Amino acid sequence: NAGVTQTPKFQVLKTGQSMTLQCAQDMNHEYMSWYRQDPGMGLRLIHYSVGAGITDQGEVPNGYNVSRSTTEDFPLRLLSAAPSQTSVYFCASSYSGAGTEKLFFGSGTQLSVL
Amino acid sequence: DQQVKQNSPSLSVQEGRISILNCDYTNSMFDYFLWYKKYPAEGPTFLISISSIKDKNEDGRFTVFLNKSAKHLSLHIVPSQPGDSAVYFCAVSSNTGKLIFGQGTTLQVKP
Repeated sequence: NAGVTQTPKFQVLKTGQSMTLQCAQDMNHEYMSWYRQDPGMGLRLIHYSVGAGITDQGEVPNGYNVSRSTTEDFPLRLLSAAPSQTSVYFCASSYSGAGTEKLFFGSGTQLSVL
Repeated sequence: DQQVKQNSPSLSVQEGRISILNCDYTNSMFDYFLWYKKYPAEGPTFLISISSIKDKNEDGRFTVFLNKSAKHLSLHIVPSQPGDSAVYFCAVSSNTGKLIFGQGTTLQVKP
C-alpha cells in the first residue's frame, strides 16, 4: 500500500522561482490537505480540498496555489518562492475530512529557498 | 494567538518509566482531540484520540486524558520504550472539521 506519496523529498529554490510539490494518494480519500511544519509552530494548514474541483484556504495560504482535478492528486504550487517559505511540507488525506477521522500523512518535502 | 499549546518543547525519560506529554487549548468548542507521533524524515502518524464526551481513552501502553474544565489534554506512555522517542503533536478539531496542531514535544527515552 503506497498511501500518500509526496515528491520531491528535497528541493532547493532561488527566491522568485516557482515550483510544484506533488501529492498523490491511492486510498480513494475525498479530503486532501497541505501543511507546513516550522520550528516552534507545529503543523499549519495551507490549503485543503474536500473533493475533486473543490479547494479552500487554510490558516497560511498566501504565496501558495492548489487545484484538485482528480480524487488522487493534490499539487501545491509556489508561485514566486520566498525565504519565508523555507519549511517542511506535508500532504495529508482522510476519507471525508471530518474532524474525528485520522489523517494519513506523506513523508514530507523539505524545501529551502535561498 | 495559538489555540493549542504544548508548553514543553522536549522531555527526557528513562526506559520503563512513565512519559507524560501535555497539551492545553483555549476554545471550549473543540470536541475531538488527537495525538500524532512523528519520527525524523517521516510524516506524522495517528496515535490515539478522545472525544469530548469521555475523559479517558486507553490503547495498550498509551492513555489519553481529557480535563475539559481545565482545557487540558495529556498523553501517558507506560512503560516508555526507546522506540517511543519521537515528536508528539496534539491536535484538536471542532465541528468545522479542521485540525489545529500544537507545536510538538520531542520525547527522548533513554535506555
